[in-house]
Amino acid sequence: DAGVIQSPRHEVTEMGQEVTLRCKPISGHNSLFWYRQTMMRGLELLIYFNNNVPIDDSGMPEDRFSAKMPNASFSTLKIQPSEPRDSAVYFCASTDQGLAKNIQYFGAGTRLSVL
Amino acid sequence: AQSVTQLDSQVPVFEEAPVELRCNYSSSVSVYLFWYVQYPNQGLQLLLKYLSGSTLVKGINGFEAEFNKSQTSFHLRKPSVHISDTAEYFCAVSPRSGGYNKLIFGAGTRLAVHP
Repeated sequence: DAGVIQSPRHEVTEMGQEVTLRCKPISGHNSLFWYRQTMMRGLELLIYFNNNVPIDDSGMPEDRFSAKMPNASFSTLKIQPSEPRDSAVYFCASTDQGLAKNIQYFGAGTRLSVL
Repeated sequence: AQSVTQLDSQVPVFEEAPVELRCNYSSSVSVYLFWYVQYPNQGLQLLLKYLSGSTLVKGINGFEAEFNKSQTSFHLRKPSVHISDTAEYFCAVSPRSGGYNKLIFGAGTRLAVHP
C-alpha cells in the first residue's frame, strides 16, 4: 500500500488567498484525521471523520477552516481566507477504528507558508 | 480526560550510547500507549505500541518501551543509538473504550545523536 498520500507537499501563498490541502487515506481505512503541527502548539487535532462523516471538529480553529470527505478515498482541508498565523505543517492520518486499535498512519504532511 | 507529559524536550546523546526518553500519562480509564517517531521533514511513523499482554514491548529500529501501570509511565529505551536515530519522538495514549477515541500526544522529545 502506498500509505496516506498528501498533496501538495509544500504550499506558499499570500495572505487572503484560499488554500486547499488534499489527502488520500489508506484503502480500507474508515477513519481520517487532520492535524496541524507548529513549534508553539505542537500537534493539534483539527477534525476527525468516521465513514466519511465529520464526528469531531472541535479542534478547527475558526470558520475560515473547513474540511470535507466526499468519499472514502479523498478528503480536503480548506482555509479561506488564509492568514500568516495559519503557517504550519498539516498532517492527515487514517486508521481502521475497528481493527487497528487506534493506530493511526500519517501522511508526509503539507508545509504551508502564508506570507 | 487524558494527558501526556514528555519530561524532556531535548535529549543530546553520543553515538552508541544508551538512551531513555521519558513519558508519563494521566487517565481515569485504561489506555493504549504508543510511541511515534518523526524524522526531519516527514510524517509521524509508529515506533511501537502497547495494547495488552507483556509490559515490555519491542518496536522497530531496536527501540523498546516498558509500560508501568503503577507509575503511569511508558518510557522508551534503546541500548545503543545511531546517528540515524536523530528525530523527534512522540508519546501518545488513547482510551481503550469502544467508539471514537482520539490519540492524545505529548509535546515531543527531540533526540540529537552526536558522533
